[in-house]
Amino acid sequence: DTEVTQTPKHLVMGMTNKKSLKCEQHMGHRAMYWYKQKAKKPPELMFVYSYEKLSINESVPSRFSPECPNSSLLNLHLHALQPEDSALYLCASSLVQGSETQYFGPGTRLLVL
Amino acid sequence: GENVEQHPSTLSVQEGDSAVIKCTYSDSASNYFPWYKQELGKGPQLIIDIRSNVGEKKDQRIAVTLNKTAKHFSLHITETQPEDSAVYFCAASGYNNNDMRFGAGTRLTVKP
Repeated sequence: DTEVTQTPKHLVMGMTNKKSLKCEQHMGHRAMYWYKQKAKKPPELMFVYSYEKLSINESVPSRFSPECPNSSLLNLHLHALQPEDSALYLCASSLVQGSETQYFGPGTRLLVL
Repeated sequence: GENVEQHPSTLSVQEGDSAVIKCTYSDSASNYFPWYKQELGKGPQLIIDIRSNVGEKKDQRIAVTLNKTAKHFSLHITETQPEDSAVYFCAASGYNNNDMRFGAGTRLTVKP
């Protein structure tokens, strides 16, 4: 089983709202990732968690706040987003961080009004 | 850091023809090269990958070749079918690169 699940599939939020994206995997992977993907562009890395600790933050604005409550779960908390933050948010996981296969979830399509 | 370039950006072929997509990378420490297929409204799906200790890998109609000296790798799809139509991304990563870098993507259209 190489499944990564993400909820919700779609999200519409106003600029003053607070919402969270959720990601789950049960493959025993110890690295989890958040990517942002704009239309017709490749995924852009935002955060990497390795063994539940934040390993990489690619200079992401503080209105995006990641959280890794345990080895199977990854959250992305959203607050005071801008319309330009509208995108597909992808979660991925791999056995460990580094040159390992990353398995992607289906994504959450976010629209900020 | 790693930089991955991918060509062409769009590719249109007739059903049954072959399709080739090429990528180059900059960091000689990169040692893992996956290819992802992304259909509209879905997340990227791994279709094949190759590590730097081999030069070629094949899985049915899909093959990947790697030239470490020239730092380029290619995806070959034979006997293309309409369901192969999608965006394809190459990527590169390594033990010394803590993240994976993607190419810009190739939109493949297979005409019936």
